Amino acid sequence: DAKTTQPPSMDCAEGRAANLPCNHSTISGNEYVYWYRQIHSQGPQYIIHGLKNNETNEMASLIITEDRKSSTLILPHATLRDTAVYYCIVRVEGAAGNKLTFGGGTRVLVKP
Amino acid sequence: DGGITQSPKYLFRKEGQNVTLSCEQNLNHDAMYWYRQDPGQGLRLIYYSQIVNDFQKGDIAEGYSVSREKKESFPLTVTSAQKNPTAFYLCASSSYRGQQYGYTFGSGTRLTVV
Repeated sequence: DAKTTQPPSMDCAEGRAANLPCNHSTISGNEYVYWYRQIHSQGPQYIIHGLKNNETNEMASLIITEDRKSSTLILPHATLRDTAVYYCIVRVEGAAGNKLTFGGGTRVLVKP
Repeated sequence: DGGITQSPKYLFRKEGQNVTLSCEQNLNHDAMYWYRQDPGQGLRLIYYSQIVNDFQKGDIAEGYSVSREKKESFPLTVTSAQKNPTAFYLCASSSYRGQQYGYTFGSGTRLTVV
């Protein structure tokens, strides 16, 4: 699975959009981009995933560049409950073992 | 409701003792995983199992053992050979071919060696 690079931390104002970048320059054509978040001392929670097209769900939007070498997770209206570590992961869908490889993630602090 | 149950939530172990962490899922998922997380770090894969009676080592399998006798259960044993077992342990499951919503994680077991 391709490696990802994320900033270690970022702050965001409550009510504003939070834009979380992720670089995955070695991504291959059949690898998906997944985003998870982990609130302190809990298990990670799935947020969203995509292959080529931008995706949106009730939690967030995922913007993937045309060359697929980077992506941005957008939390449209950050709340204090969005404070968490956000992980960007790339992997092949249905690959043997379906393993998820976690990097260090981005620690997001939403401030009032 | 379907989900993954890990027990216990907190576990204390004396040095030199083996201890088993429980993980049960009722999601009918084929694959199950164990991860370890140290403070301020990401998750590291210990073992995973794609099917009953089969499992593979992850990145940090030394000092750990697993079994997969039932689809619903994937217990992890932390043996005395694990030199630094104090950590947060997370169990996860997914359908074998991947699914739209990816993995489901349990709430974790925090193991402390005293």
